[in-house]
Amino acid sequence: DAGVTQSPTHLIKTRGQQVTLRCSPKSGHDTVSWYQQALGQGPQFIFQYYEEEERQRGNFPDRFSGHQFPNYSSELNVNALLLGDSALYLCASSYVTENTEAFFGQGTRLTVV
Amino acid sequence: AQSVAQPEDQVNVAEGNPLTVKCTYSVSGNPYLFWYVQYPNRGLQFLLKYITGDNLVKGSYGFEAEFNKSQTSFHLKKPSALVSDSALYFCAVIPMDSSYKLIFGSGTRLLVRP
Repeated sequence: DAGVTQSPTHLIKTRGQQVTLRCSPKSGHDTVSWYQQALGQGPQFIFQYYEEEERQRGNFPDRFSGHQFPNYSSELNVNALLLGDSALYLCASSYVTENTEAFFGQGTRLTVV
Repeated sequence: AQSVAQPEDQVNVAEGNPLTVKCTYSVSGNPYLFWYVQYPNRGLQFLLKYITGDNLVKGSYGFEAEFNKSQTSFHLKKPSALVSDSALYFCAVIPMDSSYKLIFGSGTRLLVRP
């Protein structure tokens, strides 16, 4: 079992550009969540996808959008990048019930210059 | 506002000694509680969770956590620390308000010295 896999592992973008991050969930999981972890802070919830729909959204602007595919994999898109978007982006997968633990990928380190 | 507090930025302990990493929460209802560990340049690894039942839950790598409802705390403990336990530890909750998101604390760095 490969667990949760994310790509790419590192990325450098310029302010104003757009970026797409990808996530494949752990085998059997149907729910994918995305988190942003700024340096020295705990992860912050961006949104969660289930059955290809956004089920819940955190306090992030509309520049952050996502998608879930029929095979449960997911993408996170960020438009009009700002320097403050530099962070580790973590994908987590789980079963749909909220009392099950989430399994995290190794993250994508995004640097905006 | 719903929040999780980890009052110690860093905890230092000698190998072989017991360790405690503190966590308190402020959420409505009876939340689900979790501990995760993060090693450098890695994602988060699940350690243990409290859903209901016995207030003392056991998890991976010899860790355990004690849920105290009256104090709204969920402290992480281990009877005998190892140098390899040195890492960043996060407490997290899922509030029972139809929310699906994990709310994380700011993290506590555990340093176990030989």
